[in-house]
Amino acid sequence: GENVEQHPSTLSVQEGDSAVIKCTYSDSASNYFPWYKQELGKRPQLIIDIRSNVGEKKDQRIAVTLNKTAKHFSLHITETQPEDSAVYFCAASDYKLSFGAGTTVTVRA
Amino acid sequence: SAVISQKPSRDICQRGTSLTIQCQVDSQVTMMFWYRQQPGQSLTLIATANQGSEATYESGFVIDKFPISRPNLTFSTLTVSNMSPEDSSIYLCSVGENEKLFFGSGTQLSVL
Repeated sequence: GENVEQHPSTLSVQEGDSAVIKCTYSDSASNYFPWYKQELGKRPQLIIDIRSNVGEKKDQRIAVTLNKTAKHFSLHITETQPEDSAVYFCAASDYKLSFGAGTTVTVRA
Repeated sequence: SAVISQKPSRDICQRGTSLTIQCQVDSQVTMMFWYRQQPGQSLTLIATANQGSEATYESGFVIDKFPISRPNLTFSTLTVSNMSPEDSSIYLCSVGENEKLFFGSGTQLSVL
């Protein structure tokens, strides 16, 4: 089955700086890569996703890049704000989602 | 996206008892799933709830421990049976729409 590794496990950034989270996957058949944000005590929320026929996707301050050859994808958050503090999960799917271990992002004011 | 209602939101249970969690969706959906999130951990798929047939369980999860019902395209239940403290987790219902996965608000279960 699919194995997704996510790094780093924790990330602390100064407000206004950028944050980058990286994930690798093992199954070359995976073709869908979503990212979820989970605030404390709340449900995971889909924030952005990318399919394997696209190399990059951007939505306001967040962007995701995908390198199919290297089997890795990354989440980029620019101009971080305190409300970006949360746990972020990457996932990869061929027919079902496998999640990474999560990254706890703390934005320091 | 579909509105997913899950209840109870939390419960404290005694070991050896069972708890049934309900998931209601405001529209018909083909794919419904149940996930477990242990404290501070990632999301682990328990099973796919199939309408009109037995659920499909992932490795490490069995029907006797986690029986699932899916009587129609808008409703599913997950029962956690014969609970032990190791079952203390958040249980999340989720639905798939156009390959995107959306989650219910979760049930936080504590087993004493």
